[in-house]
Amino acid sequence: GQQVMQIPQYQHVQEGEDFTTYCNSSTTLSNIQWYKQRPGGHPVFLIQLVKSGEVKKQKRLTFQFGEAKKNSSLHITATQTTDVGTYFCAGPSGTYKYIFGTGTRLKVLA
Amino acid sequence: EAGVAQSPRYKIIEKRQSVAFWCNPISGHATLYWYQQILGQGPKLLIQFQNNGVVDDSQLPKDRFSAERLKGVDSTLKIQPAKLEDSAVYLCASSLVPGSGETQYFGPGTRLLVL
Repeated sequence: GQQVMQIPQYQHVQEGEDFTTYCNSSTTLSNIQWYKQRPGGHPVFLIQLVKSGEVKKQKRLTFQFGEAKKNSSLHITATQTTDVGTYFCAGPSGTYKYIFGTGTRLKVLA
Repeated sequence: EAGVAQSPRYKIIEKRQSVAFWCNPISGHATLYWYQQILGQGPKLLIQFQNNGVVDDSQLPKDRFSAERLKGVDSTLKIQPAKLEDSAVYLCASSLVPGSGETQYFGPGTRLLVL
């Protein structure tokens, strides 16, 4: 079945360093969504990418959708302690549902 | 705008007992999802409703799990009997309509521990 994998599984960075997580799908995606889950919290929608090669920015966060629409990345510039959490990508499976990736847990050391 | 409400927030039961979770989606959202999130993993879809009809329940362990959304608004998810491996966070989410491209809004979840 369809799989959505993320690497790395964990990442510890010093505050101020950059961070990148990569998302890879076994199938071509019509779109991809990113969610953030704070420790003890629930997933919160960040963004959706639709077009091949699309790049979107939200302040220090840069999201990219691959040309083949099978991979995506999230890059955080100059991490802050508020960036701590697990970042999930999610790709559609069929018409109605999404498959969530394995997640990347980010820890920021002050 | 009120978010997705879930109760209880925490539940501890012994194996073979029964448990039920409740979810009230965002007003006007036709689609409701139940996810199971095991520690360290991403959310796994258990069942998806469109109004009061089931869209997808392919990953719901139907021998022990059941869910309903009788009036197309709030929903309950039941486990009977519970197993140790059911220990997880059960997340409810809703979206305005079903389909690819719709943002899902998650509730705070119910943390279930089966002893």
